[in-house]
Amino acid sequence: DIQMTQSPSSLSASVGDRVTITCRASQNINNFLNWYQQKPGKAPKLLIYAASSLQSGVPSRFSGSGSGTDFTLTISSLQPEDFATYYCQQSYSTPFFGGGTKVEIK
Amino acid sequence: QVQLQESGPGLVKPSQTLSLTCTVSSGSISSGRYSWNWIRQPAGKGLEWIGRFYASGSTNYNPSLKSRLTISVDTSKNQFSLQLSSMTAADTAVYYCAIDRGRWGAFDTWGQGTMVTVSS
Repeated sequence: DIQMTQSPSSLSASVGDRVTITCRASQNINNFLNWYQQKPGKAPKLLIYAASSLQSGVPSRFSGSGSGTDFTLTISSLQPEDFATYYCQQSYSTPFFGGGTKVEIK
Repeated sequence: QVQLQESGPGLVKPSQTLSLTCTVSSGSISSGRYSWNWIRQPAGKGLEWIGRFYASGSTNYNPSLKSRLTISVDTSKNQFSLQLSSMTAADTAVYYCAIDRGRWGAFDTWGQGTMVTVSS
């Protein structure tokens, strides 16, 4: 199995901050990497697919980058509705999610 | 806009078999090259992919669950189902169905999830 390691597991930030979350794969997954946002009591929502492609309807302040084993999700200017937990997921082989990053209000 | 709705028992006894159904609306389960997936999430924990069914008829299962798992489809009802046998407390989770409609293995549409508790 290809394992996914996310960091940090949590972070505190203020509205307007630039936030970066990283995800590392245990082996090369090319760009088969997706990012999700999950709010309490809700299903995850797809934000980014193929490492850097923005899902339709997702605000442009969200962006993804990386290939191979190292990937990044960036929120350019954190908004109140962005406080949530974020997960990466590799789709190169048996789907596997990272452990999540909880973004909290500072 | 395709929509998904999970249904099934909220409570299952240890050693029993869990049966869940995902009903698809505003779209056909037989169309396209989509995969129809089950994913679960224990309370306060991360997401675990369970398995998937392709419209072509093939299935893939998480190796850690494969021996206990069956995913099937009923095209006449536009539904797909999960059966997980020998349930234990470790299987207590919210269970989601989700669709992958692209070529990148991303789950772009999710059901709202259904909570399943394993307890005697």
